[in-house]
Formats: sequence, C-alpha cells, structure tokens
Amino acid sequence: GQNIDQPTEMTATEGAIVQINCTYQTSGFNGLFWYQQHAGEAPTFLSYNVLDGLEEKGRFSSFLSRSKGYSYLLLKELQMKDSASYLCAVNPTGEYQLIWGAGTKLIIKP
Amino acid sequence: GAVVSQHPSWVICKSGTSVKIECRSLDFQATTMFWYRQFPKQSLMLMATSNEGSKATYEQGVEKDKFLINHASLTLSTLTVTSAHPEDSSFYICSARVRDLQGKTQYFGPGTRLLVL
Repeated sequence: GQNIDQPTEMTATEGAIVQINCTYQTSGFNGLFWYQQHAGEAPTFLSYNVLDGLEEKGRFSSFLSRSKGYSYLLLKELQMKDSASYLCAVNPTGEYQLIWGAGTKLIIKP
Repeated sequence: GAVVSQHPSWVICKSGTSVKIECRSLDFQATTMFWYRQFPKQSLMLMATSNEGSKATYEQGVEKDKFLINHASLTLSTLTVTSAHPEDSSFYICSARVRDLQGKTQYFGPGTRLLVL
C-alpha cells in the first residue's frame, strides 16, 4: 500500500528552528512535495525534492533521502505567520496524482 | 507560480439543491485538473481527476453521478454537487498540474467552502 507519515502537531518558539519529518512507503517515487496550508485556506507550494540532499529556499529548506524513504522540512527564524499545517506529498508514478500525508500542524508561540 | 482561481469562495444552500464550482487556470493551460475535498482537521482527499475533453476519473467511493465534473476547455473545469445534503458540507479545492522546473507541481485554487443547510 501507499503510506505517508508525519507528526500530527508540533510546537515551536518564535525565532527558533523546527524540523518537520515525513516518512513514506510508496509503490514508486518521482518526487516529494511540501505544501503549507493556513487554516481555512488552500495549500501553497513550498518545495520539491526528487534527488537526495538538501534544497534551500530562504528560511525554508527541504531534505530527501530516497534510500530511507525520508524527508524533512526545516524552518528557520520562525515567525508567527509560519503557524500553519505542513503537508508532505509524494508523486509515486511520475504521472499526475499525489499521495498526501495527513499534515503537521505547527504552532508558533511568542 | 501559476495562478488558479475558484468561484465562488463561499456557498450556502438548502438541502436538495445543486451547486456548481468553477476552477480556472489564469495564466496557463491545464489539461489536467484535480478536485479535492477537505473536512475540518483532516488532510486533502482526492475526489477526481479532470481531463480536458474526456471523462473524469473518480476515486473509489466518490459518486460520479453526484459530483459531476466537466472539463470543457484547457482553462476551465467545473464541479457540480447535485442534490447537496448537509454531509456534503466541506472545503472543496481544485488544483492544476504545471510541468515546470520542479517537475509536475500542482497549484491550488483558493478553495470553495460549501455549507448545506
């Protein structure tokens, strides 16, 4: 079967760093996406990894290890506006459909 | 990134009525669009894949006669919830696939919140 696991909820302090993990078991692998979703809004694209390693984009970085079926999203210099759900999704076939994780709700405290 | 719009953003209707939701790709052509449903505190659930010029592909458990999808052009897909009932109240989100440098990224519309009374 297809499965993606992420923690349900995490709490961090403003200005700190937080790492959100995602593990996956899918029939194939053609890329992993991270999306941010604020409450009541649609998801917005954050990052895409298809090769092993770290992709850095401003305060956000995403890491992938295909051999371990593992990714993480790293958020630095946390701001209150980063409070949101973070969704991990895998493209298993190279076609259109994505397998979605349940999302990690990130709570930022002052 | 690519821009996807949805209309309306909010719908309140009586039980038994039909509701049409439009999804448009504004600055690109989308041969494939996706319709998702999201209940409170849950992740996205793919309902169907909408293909321009052909029938939509529905996920298991989604009634194709209740959720009518029409993808008549490369920039527009519509989802019609027929004879809506309170259990259909949800957040409906469409997305379109863009073949870009990141691969096959999906860009989401802002979503439509449906409340059936």
